[in-house]
Parts: sequence; structure tokens; C-alpha cells
Amino acid sequence: GAVVSQHPSRVICKSGTSVKIECRSLDFQATTMFWYRQFPKQSLMLMATSNEGSKATYEQGVEKDKFLINHASLTLSTLTVTSAHPEDSSFYICSASLSGSGTQYFGPGTRLLVL
Amino acid sequence: DQQVKQNSPSLSVQEGRISILNCDYTNSMFDYFLWYKKYPAEGPTFLISISSIKDKNEDGRFTVFLNKSAKHLSLHIVPSQPGDSAVYFCAASATNTNAGKSTFGDGTTLTVKP
Repeated sequence: GAVVSQHPSRVICKSGTSVKIECRSLDFQATTMFWYRQFPKQSLMLMATSNEGSKATYEQGVEKDKFLINHASLTLSTLTVTSAHPEDSSFYICSASLSGSGTQYFGPGTRLLVL
Repeated sequence: DQQVKQNSPSLSVQEGRISILNCDYTNSMFDYFLWYKKYPAEGPTFLISISSIKDKNEDGRFTVFLNKSAKHLSLHIVPSQPGDSAVYFCAASATNTNAGKSTFGDGTTLTVKP
């Protein structure tokens, strides 16, 4: 149980375009989902906390207008990278947690390459 | 101020021996601790956790020890296997605050040599 999927697994886009990444909890309802990015050989950097039915909470230094997060249902959160630039190229990972649980279940990640 | 620290960026052990990964934290509000394992180009996978009411939790080859007074936890893997080679992240959360949000360490890359 506790499977989280992400789509797409890999995306290449041109600079200036927007990219949407989906995160789904497949076998449980997640009131809270998290979005991370990871640069090569670096730790996970929490970008934002996404709560179903409310606005996402962004970490300091993360532009909320650049990284749009929508958590429309208990099983789906989306991250849209707007007007992507090469510096946005990274590995984006989502996670979901069960209500009241401190354990996060991670998706397989999405590799974004902006040309 | 980094609240969760993994001071060893890498660790190399021989197959069959014990691997000990360490983690220190500074926030006394943390009461739930987790270890995740991550392979390149994949998301982390949950490995084992421990609540602050315990000082040890064991699951097969993996044991996590918690020393609250020292604000220190460790993950023991015995016997180590080549398939254990991965990056291991320590994480901590305060369960009575933002439910589910964890603070992660920078990770330790474990290499198990055959």
C-alpha cells in the first residue's frame, strides 16, 4: 500500500513554456502532499506543502507565481512550472502523507529539462 | 540553522559487515524520526521510523536507535548487502504541529563493496 505516482517521469521543454507535473496517491487519501526538488548530488529541498482544498504553503525563497500548486482532490496534486527557464531544470519529487502520520510516501520523481 | 544534520556525506563498508549511519537534530519538538533510502533518479522510499517514546526499533536487517538526551539517532544495517548501496536520508517531524511535514538531513551515500 501507500503508492504515489508522478507523471510525466521525464519532460523536455523549450524555455518560456509551462510544464505541469501530476502527483497521485493511488491507494490512499492524502490530505497533505509535498513538493521537493533535488539538484544533482544535493539534498531534497522542500518547495511547498499542499493541502487539499486550500492554498499551498510555500517555503522561503520559492516563488509561488512561478511554481503553481493545485490540490484539487485527496488523491491529486499538481505542480505547474510557469515560463520555465534552464535554471528550473531539476528533479522534482512529490510525496503524500496519511492524515496524522509523520511518514511521507514519495513518488518516483520527474526529471525536467528546459532547453 | 540546519535542524537535522548528517555529518558524514559518505560511508563505505564491506559486504556482510555492519553499516552505521548517524543523524543529529537540534529541535527538541521533534518526536518522530524516519529513515529513507534513495536510488539515483528515483524518489525516496520509506525504510524505518521511530517515535520518541522508544529508543529502538527493529525491522529485519535494519535497526534505528534514538538517544533523546543526545538528540542523536542512528541506523544500523546488518549484514550489509551491495543492494543497500544508496543515499540514506534522515528525517524528523514534530507530529503535533504541521502534520506530515518533515525536516530532512543532507543524506549519506552508502557504498557496500562485494
